[in-house]
Amino acid sequence: RKEVEQDPGPFNVPEGATVAFNCTYSNSASQSFFWYRQDCRKEPKLLMSVYSSGNEDGRFTAQLNRASQYISLLIRDSKLSDSATYLCVALKTSYDKVIFGPGTSLSVIP
Amino acid sequence: DAGVIQSPRHEVTEMGQEVTLRCKPISGHDYLFWYRQTMMRGLELLIYFNNNVPIDDSGMPEDRFSAKMPNASFSTLKIQPSEPRDSAVYFCASSHTGGGQPQHFGDGTRLSIL
Repeated sequence: RKEVEQDPGPFNVPEGATVAFNCTYSNSASQSFFWYRQDCRKEPKLLMSVYSSGNEDGRFTAQLNRASQYISLLIRDSKLSDSATYLCVALKTSYDKVIFGPGTSLSVIP
Repeated sequence: DAGVIQSPRHEVTEMGQEVTLRCKPISGHDYLFWYRQTMMRGLELLIYFNNNVPIDDSGMPEDRFSAKMPNASFSTLKIQPSEPRDSAVYFCASSHTGGGQPQHFGDGTRLSIL
């Protein structure tokens, strides 16, 4: 089993839709979690951190479920510009190996 | 502030040749990471440094790959000899501290080995 898994998609949604991605991690010792966004042929960029209590940044909401070992990303009112691949990251305690998920592809359609 | 700077942006070379990729991290960042990204394997961490010291190189695929960080502002990833299966996008990233901090990626080097 991979350490971090994501549904690769693609998710094709109309503008204005709400879409959610999940990411599961296998190591219960993981302590820090992030969502990165990667546009086609570009580098990954941090979208948001994921806090234990859940957190929101505009149209984006991230949540952590430690019991089931997954994190989620919810995008409300999807925009065409949200089309990208979304990568989740799980980090173990202290500074340790960074594990990126394989990414979920999102296409927002007019 | 300048971001992470990688060079070259593109490299095309024949198998068997030595390839050297270069990275300048963001000033003040004390962690530096080298990643490889392919369609089949996604984004893989190859090696990372803390204060110029290699901490974990378990992701380096084989002895043909080596990485150095002679000072806080420069790192290289070398492949010798190169093989077609090394074709990928290689990213360098840096961060200010450990696990809780986001990583800042360079634009990547698109490597094609013929």
